[in-house]
Order: sequence, then structure tokens, then C-alpha cells
Amino acid sequence: KAGVTQTPRYLIKTRGQQVTLSCSPISGHRSVSWYQQTPGQGLQFLFEYFSETQRNKGNFPGRFSGRQFSNSRSEMNVSTLELGDSALYLCASSLAGHRYGNTIYFGEGSWLTVV
Amino acid sequence: DQQVKQNSPSLSVQEGRISILNCDYTNSMFDYFLWYKKYPAEGPTFLISISSIKDKNEDGRFTVFLNKSAKHLSLHIVPSQPGDSAVYFCAASPRYSGAGSYQLTFGKGTKLSVIP
Repeated sequence: KAGVTQTPRYLIKTRGQQVTLSCSPISGHRSVSWYQQTPGQGLQFLFEYFSETQRNKGNFPGRFSGRQFSNSRSEMNVSTLELGDSALYLCASSLAGHRYGNTIYFGEGSWLTVV
Repeated sequence: DQQVKQNSPSLSVQEGRISILNCDYTNSMFDYFLWYKKYPAEGPTFLISISSIKDKNEDGRFTVFLNKSAKHLSLHIVPSQPGDSAVYFCAASPRYSGAGSYQLTFGKGTKLSVIP
């Protein structure tokens, strides 16, 4: 079965612009979460969506937002981009979310460079 | 404040020998732990997990040990193979969350190089 699909894989944006990243979870998975990976900070949790509702949110500014559609596909948006937003953005899906014992499956990520 | 720490940024091991990757945590609410492996330009891949009711879990060449009193876990790879060269992330989560879900907290990773 198909894995977690993220688009676009690579993109370059200018400071002040906004960006939207897309994620299609594994078929049947209802939970989608987003992580930011940077060399200095490692993998940091952004937010998790389950059945179109945000259930959990990490410590990121309000410029980072997301949503989930009825087909479980998810998008995340970053507005007013800053140089420090340059990172690998990873989407992960699981059957029932970040619940005890569930395995989280990651996509290949979207590489964002802000110039 | 880093709640999950992987203090060794890198580790080099000869092919065929044992690789031991370590992870420490500070949050006593964590009781489910996972290891992920990541190749460059790919997303992390789930390797193995362990819950706090166990002190060891084994899957083929991979074994994870958990020492709750020391808040320490380790991943053993025996024997190490060149294809194991990757970045390994330790992750942890609590059992309960008032929000109904919880986030995985990751360490910063250890880059393992297995030398042929």
C-alpha cells in the first residue's frame, strides 16, 4: 500500500512570503501530524490532526497553521516566512493518532529553503 | 529544555561488531519509547519500540533495552552492517494526555557509520 506522500519535495521561497505544504496519509489512517526538522533542533512537533480536528499543538508561533480535510489529507501553511523557517517538514500518519502503542509512519518530507 | 537526549552526535563501528546507541530522558511521564532510522533525503522509518512494562524488546538484529530507574534506553544492533549507516532518532511519549493525544518528543539523533 502507498506510503505517506508529501508535496512539493523541494521549494525555495523569499522572506515574507507564505507557503503551503501538502500531505496524503496512508490509506485508512485518520491521524496526520507535522514535524519540523532542523540541524540544530532535531525533530520538533508542530501539530496533529485527527478527523479534521487539531488535537495537539507544539510550541510554534501562530504563523504555522494546518488543516485536515474529510479525506484525511492535510495541509500546513507558514505565513510571513523567516530565514529560520528553512527546514525539512515531515508529515506522519497513523491509524488513530499519537496514542499509546501506535506506530507513526513518516513521509519523505518537504525541503523548504527561505532566502 | 531537552526532554530526550542523545548525547553522541555520531558513532563509528566496524562491520560485524555491535552498535550501541544511547538515549536519556528526563520526563518521568514518558513510558513508551521508539527508535527511528533516517537516511538522507528520506523520512524517518520506524525500527522498534518498547513500553515501560518491559525492559527489553528484540526484533531480529535490533534490541532495545529500557532502564526506567536511570531514565535510559539503548538500541543494540548486532551484527552491524554497512546498510545500517544512517541517523538514529530516539522518541518518547507519555501514556496519557488530557487532550486525547500526545506528541512524540524526539532526540536530536545519532549518526551511525558502519565501516566495511
